[in-house]
Amino acid sequence: EDQVTQSPEALRLQEGESSSLNCSYTVSGLRGLFWYRQDPGKGPEFLFTLYSAGEEKEKERLKATLTKKESFLHITAPKPEDSATYLCAVQAYGSGNTGKLIFGQGTTLQVKP
Amino acid sequence: EAGVTQSPTHLIKTRGQQATLRCSPISGHTSVYWYQQALGLGLQFLLWYDEGEERNRGNFPPRFSGRQFPNYSSELNVNALELEDSALYLCASSLDTQYFGPGTRLTVL
Repeated sequence: EDQVTQSPEALRLQEGESSSLNCSYTVSGLRGLFWYRQDPGKGPEFLFTLYSAGEEKEKERLKATLTKKESFLHITAPKPEDSATYLCAVQAYGSGNTGKLIFGQGTTLQVKP
Repeated sequence: EAGVTQSPTHLIKTRGQQATLRCSPISGHTSVYWYQQALGLGLQFLLWYDEGEERNRGNFPPRFSGRQFPNYSSELNVNALELEDSALYLCASSLDTQYFGPGTRLTVL
């Protein structure tokens, strides 16, 4: 069964303290891996798409990387405004999977000033 | 460019009633997706519509249904509401990457 597991569930950082969020996945064939940011009570905001192992994408203080079994979201020198829940999702090949994103439970990040 | 819009923002219903949620995709996007985000369960895929046709559905009972109109907007209907249907319902649209709307918070009393 296709599955996505994120860790840790919650992360507290001091402003400027860099860290990484993990997303482990098990899929029959990976079509794409997606990172989203979600603020409380709002819809997820798209951050990155990764398609193949070794690929990296960067945006401001965030950098996403992909291996054959997991993805990392590295946060460098975070600021309080980076506080949010970060969601990882995969899209798998297969007729039953078309269009469908499979989400992990998310990592809730709190950055204290 | 306007993003995905959803209405209403909040919806309160009682058990057994029907709920109708609406979604307008980003201009030019022909695919619309619906997800349920219940407390503690994460985002679960509900339905995918493309070019007016239902293309895929998740593991939800048939009382969850919807349609897509010729202008690519979409409606999600939930019949015979149950307490556990209380959740944030999210709509996304895409040409490839899925972009989400703000959601409709459905509360079933």
